[in-house]
Amino acid sequence: QVQLQESGPGLVKPSETLSLTCTVSGGSFSGYYWSWIRQPPGKGLEYIGHIYSTGSTNYNPSLKGRFTISVDTSKNQFSLRLSSVTAADTAVYYCAGGRFLEWLPFDPWGQGTLVTVSS
Amino acid sequence: EIVLTQSPATLSLSPGDRATLSCGASQSVTSTYLAWYQQKPGLAPRLLVYDASSRATGIPDRFSGSGSGTDFTLTISRLEPEDFAVYYCQQYGNSPFTFGGGTKVDIK
Repeated sequence: QVQLQESGPGLVKPSETLSLTCTVSGGSFSGYYWSWIRQPPGKGLEYIGHIYSTGSTNYNPSLKGRFTISVDTSKNQFSLRLSSVTAADTAVYYCAGGRFLEWLPFDPWGQGTLVTVSS
Repeated sequence: EIVLTQSPATLSLSPGDRATLSCGASQSVTSTYLAWYQQKPGLAPRLLVYDASSRATGIPDRFSGSGSGTDFTLTISRLEPEDFAVYYCQQYGNSPFTFGGGTKVDIK
C-alpha cells in the first residue's frame, strides 16, 4: 500500500523560498503521477501541479510560475519549491499521487503539513 | 481552465436523510474524469468516487456518483454520523486540474 509523508519547515519568512519534500513508500513510484495541493486555513483545495517519474511537469498557470516541482526517483521522493513567499502562501500543503496508466485521481494523500509565512 | 461550481455551499440534514450534492463544470469534463472527495477537520481528503461513478476501494455503497458532460452529482443514500464533512469535486481530465469550492454537510 502506497504511503506518502511530507517534510519541511513549518515557518518561513516573507520573501524567502519554501521547500517541501514528499517521501513515497510501499509501492511502485513510476506507476503514479505525483502532485502538490494546498489548502489555506478555512478554505478550499488548490491544485499546484504534478510531475511524472520522467520529470515531465504540469503546473496551475494561475499561480504565476512561482512553483517548481522536481523528482528524485533514486529516493522515491518528489519536492516543491515556492519562491518569494507571502502571507497568502500560508496553507496546509498536501502531496498526493494518482495512478498513471489507469489515469486515476489523487489517492493516496499525505497527511499534510502546515506552512506559515510570518516574520 | 475548467471552473467547477458546487451547490449548495452548505447542506443541513439529519442522520438517515438522503444527501444530494451537485457539481457543475464550465465546460465538458473530458471522459468523465470527475472525482469526489470527503474531508473531515484536520485530515487529508479521502477519495470517494472516480470517473464520475466508480466507487473507490473501501467506500460504502451508500455513496454513489453520477453525471456526465457538465453536470455531476454525489448522492449519499442514508447519512451516517461519520458522513458529516466537507465534500469536494475535482476534474482531472484537463490541465490544470481543478477543484470545486466544496459542500459542507452538517447536522441539522
